[in-house]
Amino acid sequence: KAGVTQTPRYLIKTRGQQVTLSCSPISGHRSVSWYQQTPGQGLQFLFEYFSETQRNKGNFPGRFSGRQFSNSRSEMNVSTLELGDSALYLCASRRETDGELFFGEGSRLTVL
Amino acid sequence: QKEVEQDPGPLSVPEGAIVSLNCTYSNSAFQYFMWYRQYSRKGPELLMYTYSSGNKEDGRFTAQVDKSSKYISLFIRDSQPSDSATYLCAMGDDYKLSFGAGTTVTVRA
Repeated sequence: KAGVTQTPRYLIKTRGQQVTLSCSPISGHRSVSWYQQTPGQGLQFLFEYFSETQRNKGNFPGRFSGRQFSNSRSEMNVSTLELGDSALYLCASRRETDGELFFGEGSRLTVL
Repeated sequence: QKEVEQDPGPLSVPEGAIVSLNCTYSNSAFQYFMWYRQYSRKGPELLMYTYSSGNKEDGRFTAQVDKSSKYISLFIRDSQPSDSATYLCAMGDDYKLSFGAGTTVTVRA
């Protein structure tokens, strides 16, 4: 069974640019969450989508946005990139029967 | 103050030792308590998952939750070099998890 797939795995951007990251959840999972992981702050919750609706949002500025499509695939976008946005962005899909989260391997973003 | 506090370590132990990891939390609304393991350049993977106070054992791993003290622990018995990783505690509700900073553990052969 395929796991959570995130693309791209690595990317480099410059300040002021925007970036879009993609996540394909495990087949049958309708909930997708996004987390930012940095050495200083650890894993921080960005937002969670369920059946194309945002159910919860963390404390990130409006530059961070996301969406979910009818096939449960999700994208997150960061606009006007800042140096501090350099991080590993992790996507997780949730198994509804017991709530377990399954993480992808992440997209590592470097902002120069 | 962060919702979840975890000593980042690092922690270095000899093979066969017991590894003890701890987290404290401030939000009494948390319903689920988990431990994740993360190897370098990989996403976190779930190790233990519990809803209630008490102990839960799975092989060499034991998770302990004390809701009255807002304190959770993970014990790894007979540690192996393959246990070398970052261990993250996590807790939350139906929609989101709050993670600890992670403790980096090295098990020396």
